[in-house]
Amino acid sequence: QIQLVQSGPELKKPGESVKISCKASGYTFTDYAMHWVKQAPGKGLKWMGWINTYTGKPTYADDFKGRFVFSLEASASTANLQISNLKNEDTATYFCATMGIKGAFDYWGQGVMVTVSS
Amino acid sequence: DIVLTQSPALAVSLGQRATISCRASQSVSISRYNLMHWYQQKPGQQPKLLIYRASNLASGIPARFSGSGSGTDFTLTINPVQADDIATYYCQQSRESPTWTFGGGTKLELK
Repeated sequence: QIQLVQSGPELKKPGESVKISCKASGYTFTDYAMHWVKQAPGKGLKWMGWINTYTGKPTYADDFKGRFVFSLEASASTANLQISNLKNEDTATYFCATMGIKGAFDYWGQGVMVTVSS
Repeated sequence: DIVLTQSPALAVSLGQRATISCRASQSVSISRYNLMHWYQQKPGQQPKLLIYRASNLASGIPARFSGSGSGTDFTLTINPVQADDIATYYCQQSRESPTWTFGGGTKLELK
């Protein structure tokens, strides 16, 4: 069965960087794009962008251009999200999700809580 | 960008019908396809796809969930509401691909 397993929680200081991973299994990794979604504490879902798992090309939503980088380790069926120069407002849970032909996010990772605090 | 508007909360009694609405700032329909989807999220969990393309039940989702709508107005109906359905529900559009947006979420609460 299709599974997306994300890395564990992170506690970072402002200005530091973090890299979180999303390991896919149960399907051919390059068949579906990988999307990233942010959820700040007590808030709703915000789409961050996606990466084409076949070509490796990332696309970022306007609010996530600059400090956010999507990457792949295709041989390990893993997608990564790196955030540099962390700010307090980056404190959130970050989800990876696949989008199938239906145009909906079919499968989700369990989420990674990133806490930024001095 | 297409903005999706949901009421923040809805109070319902167990066994009754819950109707959750989502309004888009512009049409999310193309031809016969209504590109609106619904998710359920419980505290501490990832979202789960309930309904895709406005009215299609995702795999494994109980038949008490249904979706309807077209153009700019969409509805998720739960009938009858069970205790396990207490959660937050989000709509999401894929009309404006490759930019996707979510509604603000509707928290379903017990009356």
